[in-house]
Amino acid sequence: GDSVTQMEGPVTLSEEAFLTINCTYTATGYPSLFWYVQYPGEGLQLLLKATKADDKGSNKGFEATYRKETTSFHLEKGSVQVSDSAVYFCALRDSSYKLIFGSGTRLLVRP
Amino acid sequence: NAGVTQTPKFQVLKTGQSMTLQCAQDMNHEYMSWYRQDPGMGLRLIHYSVGAGITDQGEVPNGYNVSRSTTEDFPLRLLSAAPSQTSVYFCASWDRSQNSPLHFGNGTRLTVT
Repeated sequence: GDSVTQMEGPVTLSEEAFLTINCTYTATGYPSLFWYVQYPGEGLQLLLKATKADDKGSNKGFEATYRKETTSFHLEKGSVQVSDSAVYFCALRDSSYKLIFGSGTRLLVRP
Repeated sequence: NAGVTQTPKFQVLKTGQSMTLQCAQDMNHEYMSWYRQDPGMGLRLIHYSVGAGITDQGEVPNGYNVSRSTTEDFPLRLLSAAPSQTSVYFCASWDRSQNSPLHFGNGTRLTVT
């Protein structure tokens, strides 16, 4: 079945460092891809999405490009802030509209 | 606009007790779902619904029941709680478009002793 694999965390960075969180997927057909963020004590919030190959999703300085050839959707940010500390989930939506999540990657940004 | 509201926020049960986790959304979304979140395992789908009167099983449905009598409400029932059901439970809703994002509630933290 469809699945999502994320790099294990935690990822610890200093403020203003460059961030990459790797995400790869396995799917039949052409899924939509999403990144969600979860701040402590809260539910998940959509960060960005891409619906077809070569699409780039972006929001709040984060970017991810839908790479069909490598089945990847890596999350990047050029300069992280302490406020970006959270858990990040990569997800895909399959043809039945269900959302399948990766295991999450915790990001900790130190001042 | 409240979005997705879950109650209670916290619950402690003894093994064998039953309870219902409530979920309500005010966005007129057709689709709703329940996930459980466990450390290192991401979110796993328990049950979902594509409209009032229609429900289906997700990845980990055993020990849980759902019903969808109205568009707004999607309660999750634990029939006989077990320690393995200790988790954080999230309800989510979204509209019909395939590219529509999920809107999540703030979660219910359940402990079964």
